[in-house]
Parts: sequence; structure tokens; C-alpha cells
Amino acid sequence: QVQLVQSGPEVKKSGASVKLSCKASGYNFNNHYIHWVRQAPGQGPEWMGMIKPNNQRTSLAQSFQGRVTMATDTSTSAVYMELSGLAPEDTAMYYCARGATFCPSADCYTIFDSWGQGALVSVSS
Amino acid sequence: EIVLAQSPATLSVSPGERVTLSCRASQTVNTNLAWYQQRPGQSPRIIIYDASTRATGIPDRFSGSGSGTDFTLTIAGLQSEDFAVYYCQHYKNLPPMYTFGQGTKLEI
Repeated sequence: QVQLVQSGPEVKKSGASVKLSCKASGYNFNNHYIHWVRQAPGQGPEWMGMIKPNNQRTSLAQSFQGRVTMATDTSTSAVYMELSGLAPEDTAMYYCARGATFCPSADCYTIFDSWGQGALVSVSS
Repeated sequence: EIVLAQSPATLSVSPGERVTLSCRASQTVNTNLAWYQQRPGQSPRIIIYDASTRATGIPDRFSGSGSGTDFTLTIAGLQSEDFAVYYCQHYKNLPPMYTFGQGTKLEI
């Protein structure tokens, strides 16, 4: 079965960077984008960006451009997301999620059909 | 930027009841809308996509409807495992963007 296993919790100071990992198994790693979504305490999820494993093609939400770097390692089916310039408002649960494509018409769209367990990032000033 | 407004924020219901959750988009999204369930301490799980298509393994007591700007998620015959937070999500291409609402919490 599809599994996404994330790295553990992180505690950081303002201004630092954090690098999270997400290891995929149970499917062809190269065939699906991996997305990163964060969720601040008591808030709705917020999409950060996505990466295609086989070609490292990345698309980021505008609010994270310049602060987020994503990479993949196809030899280990792992995806990495690094967030720099941390501030207390970056305290959140960070999830990786697999993108699944469906085509209801001539256009195709992506939903998130499997999620990692999440990694809590706590940032203090 | 599209904003999704969910109502109500919290809904107190009893097992066995039928409930309807609302999601309103700030501009038309056609049927590019999904619903996710998040149980306490768990990751979100896809329930509905394309406004009304149930995801794999989702029981038929869950149904979605709507198009344009107004959408609903209906759960018939609430079971204990359905008490969770439900988020609607808009998805688009070119450029890709995925926007979530603030959620509706179903509580006993």
C-alpha cells in the first residue's frame, strides 16, 4: 500500500532553516508529484508547493517563493523540503502528500490521495 | 486569489443524524472542489473530489454536491468515526494552486 513516512519533529530558533524528509513506498515513485502542505495550530491546511520526482520540476506557492527548496532522491524514493528564514509564525505541522491525477473532461487535475503522518516544526524567537 | 468560506465553524450533532456542511467560493471554481476529513491527531484524508465523486473506499453515506461557488458535503447517518474536521479545497492548474477552507468541526 502507498506509504509516506516523514522525519521527526524539529525545534528551531528564528532565522534558522529546517529540512524535512518524506520517504515514499508502495507505488512508482516517479509517477506522482509530491506536495508539501502545512497546518498551523487550529488553522486550515496551506499548500506550499510540489515537486515531480523524476525531473525535479518544482512549483511553489507565491508566499513561499524564495524561502522553500525542494529536492528528491530517486534512489531512496525520498523527497526533501527545506524552509529558510524561520519565524514563530512558521510553527506548524508539515505534511507531504502524494498527488493523484484525474481527468473529468479534457482537463486533468490533482488531488492529494495519500498523506504522510506529519512533522511538527516549532519555532521560537 | 480564491477564498473558501466554510460554515458553520462548529456543528454539534448526534450519531445517526444527517448533516450538511457548506463551502462557498469567492469566485466560480466550476466543480474543482474536494473535501477532506481530518480526525483528531491524524492527517487529512480525501473524501470527495470533482465536487461529487467519492474517493476510493469512502462509504456512500458521504455525498457532495454543487458547482460554481456553492458546495455542500452531506453525511447521512453519522457514525462515531465521522466526528472530525472537514475541509473543502479548490484545486487549479496553470499555475497550480491548492486552497483550503478553514474547516467545519463536527462534534458530538
